Amino acid sequence: GAVVSQHPSRVICKSGTSVKIECRSLDFQATTMFWYRQFPKQSLMLMATSNEGSKATYEQGVEKDKFLINHASLTLSTLTVTSAHPEDSSFYICSGSTGREKLFFGSGTQLSVL
Amino acid sequence: RKEVEQDPGPFNVPEGATVAFNCTYSNSASQSFFWYRQDCRKEPKLLMSVYSSGNEDGRFTAQLNRASQYISLLIRDSKLSDSATYLCVVVGSYNTDKLIFGTGTRLQVFP
Repeated sequence: GAVVSQHPSRVICKSGTSVKIECRSLDFQATTMFWYRQFPKQSLMLMATSNEGSKATYEQGVEKDKFLINHASLTLSTLTVTSAHPEDSSFYICSGSTGREKLFFGSGTQLSVL
Repeated sequence: RKEVEQDPGPFNVPEGATVAFNCTYSNSASQSFFWYRQDCRKEPKLLMSVYSSGNEDGRFTAQLNRASQYISLLIRDSKLSDSATYLCVVVGSYNTDKLIFGTGTRLQVFP
């Protein structure tokens, strides 16, 4: 089946630093990539939707200048958490879409900001 | 009101038990419905799609009631390996892959 490779799986960083999370679709072209965030014991919350070659669409309440999304190719999308703070500590996960509601999730990134 | 609501549980059941989870959704225009399973700190994995006619996959049965905007998942003969969080997922509307996740229901099966 289709695979989305997400790296890193775990990041621990100091407050104020930026962290980049990368998602690659390995054997399919992800025309759309979704980025989610999940706090402990809560549901996955959609942060933004990105389409290859265009600007990402952010959900209400998500700061686009803080969470930079780049989807430069059909196989690579990145999320950069800029100037991370402890409240940004969360589980971030991407999913690539081929359309027709077929979604393939990355394995997630656990971000801990000290 | 949340778009997708679930009882968070936890449901603690013995092996072999039958357990049912429920979910309600608020957008009557929703077109597609799924149950996903998520283990701790892992990605969600598709368990099954949900159809109005009901569908069964081994020990798992899913049902959709559009009139009541209600989705259910029944697990028969629970196994220890069924312990996980079960996410009710709704696709918002036509022509979108945007999934809306419920908070999940935690299931713990004990020996």
